[in-house]
Amino acid sequence: NAGVTQTPKFQVLKTGQSMTLQCAQDMNHEYMSWYRQDPGMGLRLIHYSVGAGITDQGEVPNGYNVSRSTTEDFPLRLLSAAPSQTSVYFCASTRTGTGYNSPLHFGNGTRLTVT
Amino acid sequence: EDQVTQSPEALRLQEGESSSLNCSYTVSGLRGLFWYRQDPGKGPEFLFTLYSAGEEKEKERLKATLTKKESFLHITAPKPEDSATYLCAVQVITQGGSEKLVFGKGTKLTVNP
Repeated sequence: NAGVTQTPKFQVLKTGQSMTLQCAQDMNHEYMSWYRQDPGMGLRLIHYSVGAGITDQGEVPNGYNVSRSTTEDFPLRLLSAAPSQTSVYFCASTRTGTGYNSPLHFGNGTRLTVT
Repeated sequence: EDQVTQSPEALRLQEGESSSLNCSYTVSGLRGLFWYRQDPGKGPEFLFTLYSAGEEKEKERLKATLTKKESFLHITAPKPEDSATYLCAVQVITQGGSEKLVFGKGTKLTVNP
């Protein structure tokens, strides 16, 4: 049982480049989400999905796109990378489709640097 | 605005020296409070959920408690392997009726042998 798998672990981009951060879970969780973690700040929600075909914006969605074509996968796309998007990105999932009634399971993160 | 504040930001203990971490919150519509442990280079790992004032949960050397305004994570006789950043998150109901998690900034705990 792998849990939540994120790839890549590290990535360096130049300003203006685009890329996709991958997230996959094998727990049949309905709810998936993306957070970013910056020094001196709490985890902040970027986008989330309560099930396949359904996505919504979180606290800091600008500059990011998501889609959810399957229950297992929830990729995060950076459209045109900016230095302000330098951060550690975490994907998390949980069982229920309507909230946080079960705790989040996190991946081990993708450390992104934009130069 | 919903806020979660953790204190102290960093804490150094000697092995065996018990202490407590604090998580205070000002939110509307509290549904639950979560404690997570995060090791360097890893994602947060779930520890406890607390739902109502007076509730307590224990796991090995850790005990979490909850009041109406704050939660404590008590660490009894800590060991070096307890060194990590401990995150607190509060589950709240938004004005639109959906639920969200608000995370604190964490307390970095270092336990010296």
